[in-house]
Amino acid sequence: GAVVSQHPSWVICKSGTSVKIECRSLDFQATTMFWYRQFPKQSLMLMATSNEGSKATYEQGVEKDKFLINHASLTLSTLTVTSAHPEDSSFYICSAFRASGGNNEQFFGPGTRLTVL
Amino acid sequence: QKEVEQDPGPLSVPEGAIVSLNCTYSNSAFQYFMWYRQYSRKGPELLMYTYSSGNKEDGRFTAQVDKSSKYISLFIRDSQPSDSATYLCALRGGATNKLIFGTGTLLAVQP
Repeated sequence: GAVVSQHPSWVICKSGTSVKIECRSLDFQATTMFWYRQFPKQSLMLMATSNEGSKATYEQGVEKDKFLINHASLTLSTLTVTSAHPEDSSFYICSAFRASGGNNEQFFGPGTRLTVL
Repeated sequence: QKEVEQDPGPLSVPEGAIVSLNCTYSNSAFQYFMWYRQYSRKGPELLMYTYSSGNKEDGRFTAQVDKSSKYISLFIRDSQPSDSATYLCALRGGATNKLIFGTGTLLAVQP
C-alpha cells in the first residue's frame, strides 16, 4: 500500500505552547488529507478535512482557531495545535486520500502522540 | 443512534480459532466498506476494502457485506497471536470522502 509519514512521532510540550505536526504522502499525491484524534481505547474521531490549496473543513465541535491546518502542497499537510493544554493530549493521526480509478483509498500515517504537561 | 455500531470487545480466542468481527450501520448511502487493523500506539492499516454487497477474500481474511441488512463482517481463519490488535470497520458513501469509523473491537489471540 501507499506510504504516509508523520513527524514527529511523539512530542511533549508545556501548556500554552504550540505544536506543529506534519503529514506527508511519500509515493503519491493527495488532494485530500484528513486529521483524526484518538483518545485511549476509543475510535478515531475526524477533526477536519484538508484540501490542497483551500481552507480546511472542520467537524462540528472542533475549534478551527485552535487546530490550524495547512495543506500547502499535494504531499504535505500540517496540523498546528495552538496554545496547547493538557486536555489536548491525544494521539493525532492523519490520512491521505488516493483516488485511483474506481478504487479510492485512505492511507493512514503512524500517528503522533502529543502530551501536554 | 450512531451511524456505525461495533462491539468494542475485548474478544479473546485461542490460536487457530475462526474469528468473526461485525459492524452494523444505519445510513444506506454507504457504498464502500473497509476493515482496518490497528496495533497499539500505531496508525490504522487497511486490511480489506469492499465496494457494495458481496464477499471478498484475501488469504486468511474474508470480508462480507450485506447491504440489505446493513451488516458487515470480517472473518479471520486460523487466527495467530500476531493478529492481536484492534479491528475497526470504516464506511464511506454519499457525496463525501469522509470515513465513518466504528469504535473498534479489541482482539486477543492466545497462544
